[in-house]
Amino acid sequence: EVQLVESGGGLVQPGGSLRLSCAASGFTFSSYSMNWVRQAPGKGLEWVSYISSSSSTIYYADSVKGRFTISRDNAKNSLYLQMNSLRAEDTAVYYCARPAVTTLLDYWGQGTLVTVSS
Amino acid sequence: DIQMTQSPSSVSASVGDRVTITCRASQGISSWLAWYQQKPGKAPKLLIYAASSLQSGVPSRFSGSGSGTDFTLTISSLQPEDFATYYCQQANSFPPLTFGGGTKVEIK
Repeated sequence: EVQLVESGGGLVQPGGSLRLSCAASGFTFSSYSMNWVRQAPGKGLEWVSYISSSSSTIYYADSVKGRFTISRDNAKNSLYLQMNSLRAEDTAVYYCARPAVTTLLDYWGQGTLVTVSS
Repeated sequence: DIQMTQSPSSVSASVGDRVTITCRASQGISSWLAWYQQKPGKAPKLLIYAASSLQSGVPSRFSGSGSGTDFTLTISSLQPEDFATYYCQQANSFPPLTFGGGTKVEIK
């Protein structure tokens, strides 16, 4: 069974940093690209970042470019999102999501809440 | 970037009703459209891909149609477990992935 389990969320002050993790199991993690998608409280879904299976291709949404860094460790079956210079508007539930193909997200984690507030 | 616009933003319906949700892309995306269902406090679930293909395990009362810029999600006979928020997502142009604003299906 495919499982994605996010962790690392919490309360952080504006300008602070946080590192999210996503532990994958039930599939060959190293064969799949991965994404982060977020959802602000009461709002819709916003794609955040993509990383290819070998980490050779990485994309970011304009809203996080230069502040967030996606990475992965295939030996540990883990995906990461390093978030720096956090802003109030980054407050959201962050989901890791595996695509069936590049742009179709067929498995999602349960999400981890990031709250940016003083 | 391709913008996705859903309508209505919410709909009130009764069990057994037929419900139709519309999604419009700001430019043509062929059939590269997916629909997701999200229940409160849960992650989104892929329902339909390639505009009309049902994801494995999804009940046949869900169907999708359309191509180009205009798409619909239809629930033929609404069931209690279908009350949720539905999102469309274009899968044609990446990056970025873009989602519609969501349609909340509420109990009448």
